[in-house]
Amino acid sequence: NAGVTQTPKFQVLKTGQSMTLQCAQDMNHNSMYWYRQDPGMGLRLIYYSASEGTTDKGEVPNGYNVSRLNKREFSLRLESAAPSQTSVYFCASSDNQPQHFGDGTRLSIL
Amino acid sequence: LAKTTQPISMDSYEGQEVNITCSHNNIATNDYITWYQQFPSQGPRFIIQGYKTKVTNEVASLFIPADRKSGTLSLPRVSLSDTAVYYCLVVGDNQGGKLIFGQGTELSVKP
Repeated sequence: NAGVTQTPKFQVLKTGQSMTLQCAQDMNHNSMYWYRQDPGMGLRLIYYSASEGTTDKGEVPNGYNVSRLNKREFSLRLESAAPSQTSVYFCASSDNQPQHFGDGTRLSIL
Repeated sequence: LAKTTQPISMDSYEGQEVNITCSHNNIATNDYITWYQQFPSQGPRFIIQGYKTKVTNEVASLFIPADRKSGTLSLPRVSLSDTAVYYCLVVGDNQGGKLIFGQGTELSVKP
């Protein structure tokens, strides 16, 4: 089983470009989450989806949008990338606890 | 959501037992104490979760006192591969699955 798969693993963008980060899980979990992690810090929740068809804001939602495409897939979109969004992005899924995380997407915005 | 306080870093040597304690400013009746481990370039991985007293699995033990205001993760006989960041979180049924991560404890195991 792949668990939680994130694509791409690395990406470099220019300021103002748009980008969609993809996440898919094969564990039939209801809930999915997007986090960002900056150097030396813990993860911060951007958006989450408690179930298919629902999405809610987390701690740091500004500058991002999400789509829960189906039960398996939860995408994160940056409409106009800014250097402050340079980070490692993690997707996770769960049914209650614990959460299962992907290996992240390293995103650099120049 | 309860926030946790834990040491920023710890050093240890191979074969030693490591205990990492975190405290909570506000733990509710239905909250659990949960620990995750994160290696460089990987996502966090669940280690152990407990409500009170002691919980043990194949990886670690978790000690929670009667007042539940803290939780101590115990790693027996650490090896170099246990070098990682360890996060303590308070997780409750009414949080919608949301996790609040602090800075974590960076454990460095030396030979």
